[in-house]
Amino acid sequence: GAVVSQHPSWVICKSGTSVKIECRSLDFQATTMFWYRQFPKQSLMLMATSNEGSKATYEQGVEKDKFLINHASLTLSTLTVTSAHPEDSSFYICSAQSSGRGNEQFFGPGTRLTVL
Amino acid sequence: DAKTTQPTSMDCAEGRAANLPCNHSTISGNEYVYWYRQIHSQGPQYIIHGLKNNETNEMASLIITEDRKSSTLILPHATLRDTAVYYCIVRVAEYGNKLVFGAGTILRVKS
Repeated sequence: GAVVSQHPSWVICKSGTSVKIECRSLDFQATTMFWYRQFPKQSLMLMATSNEGSKATYEQGVEKDKFLINHASLTLSTLTVTSAHPEDSSFYICSAQSSGRGNEQFFGPGTRLTVL
Repeated sequence: DAKTTQPTSMDCAEGRAANLPCNHSTISGNEYVYWYRQIHSQGPQYIIHGLKNNETNEMASLIITEDRKSSTLILPHATLRDTAVYYCIVRVAEYGNKLVFGAGTILRVKS
């Protein structure tokens, strides 16, 4: 149990295009999901907290108009990188929190984004 | 403003116990100690968490000092597949609270 999936696992796009990444909790409901970004040889950096049915909460320095987050159901959150540029190339990871499991967070496998 | 400090890296022989230390001297009374690990190019994996008592599960044991200012994660019989970055995080265990990752410890298990 406690499985979180992400789709796609990797994506390559041209500069200026938008990319949508999906995060799904497969066997539990999550009113809260989190989005992280990780550059090579660095730790995970929290980008935003995604709340089902309400607006996401962004960390300082993260542009909310560039990284659009939608949490439309208890099992799905999406992150859209708008007008992607090469500096947005990174490993994007989501996590989902289950209230029924002691509030642990379970992480997806990550999405590797490469912007050409 | 990391709340924990961990060694940058450690080596461990395959089959031996791996003991990973973590200092969290400013931990608050309602903050738990969580351990996650991240194998290369994968999402982090939850290992264990605890408040003040020692905890054990199928993956590891967590030993927390009586003053709660430090803890040790123990992998009793390390295998090559345990090579990963291990993160020690302190956090109030309330729903919606975020995890803030530090640099972690790179554990290399060698045959």
